[in-house]
Amino acid sequence: DIQMTQSPSSLSASVGDRVTITCQASQDISNYLNWYQQKPGKAPKLLIYDASNLETGVPSRFSGSGSGTDFTFTISSLQPEDIATYYCQQYDNLFTFGPGTKVDIK
Amino acid sequence: EVQLVESGGGLVQPGGSLRLSCAASGFTVSSNYMSWVRQAPGKGLEWVSVIYSGGSTYYADSVKGRFTISRHNSKNTLYLQMNSLRAEDTAVYYCARAGYSSSWRFDYWGQGTLVTVSS
Repeated sequence: DIQMTQSPSSLSASVGDRVTITCQASQDISNYLNWYQQKPGKAPKLLIYDASNLETGVPSRFSGSGSGTDFTFTISSLQPEDIATYYCQQYDNLFTFGPGTKVDIK
Repeated sequence: EVQLVESGGGLVQPGGSLRLSCAASGFTVSSNYMSWVRQAPGKGLEWVSVIYSGGSTYYADSVKGRFTISRHNSKNTLYLQMNSLRAEDTAVYYCARAGYSSSWRFDYWGQGTLVTVSS
């Protein structure tokens, strides 16, 4: 089974800050990685697919990069509506979600 | 417009059974990869099961042998039959489109249905 880790588990940042979340796979998954945003009480929303592709309709302040085992998700300028938990997810071998990163406003 | 609507959740005793349904509109379930994902209270997302367009099915180790994913093509509906339920199966269960052709991503999600396993 492929295990996914994320860091940090939570963070607080100011509006306008650049926010970076990292995701690591337990083995090489090429670029078979997606990123999701989940707000409290809501279903997850796809933001980034195939490690770096922005889903249609998602603001360009969100971006992703990486391949192999190490991946990065970035919010270039944090907005109040970005308060949520963010998950990475691999699909190289079935599916596994990372544990999530909770993002708050400082 | 694509829509996924889950139903069938509720309170069930340990050892009991429940069948979840996910009615789809705006696309054809049988032509896509469809999945169930759950989220225990206050916890993260856990993938549960997938059914591919060809009919192959796969399960997380935590539910293998107890849960069965299926679909009804004419009703355009996805199901999850859950047997031998345990307290640790308590969660919100989401259905989601897991992909199509060579594209793998959970791009459409239902609103979720809560399953509570308790005596």
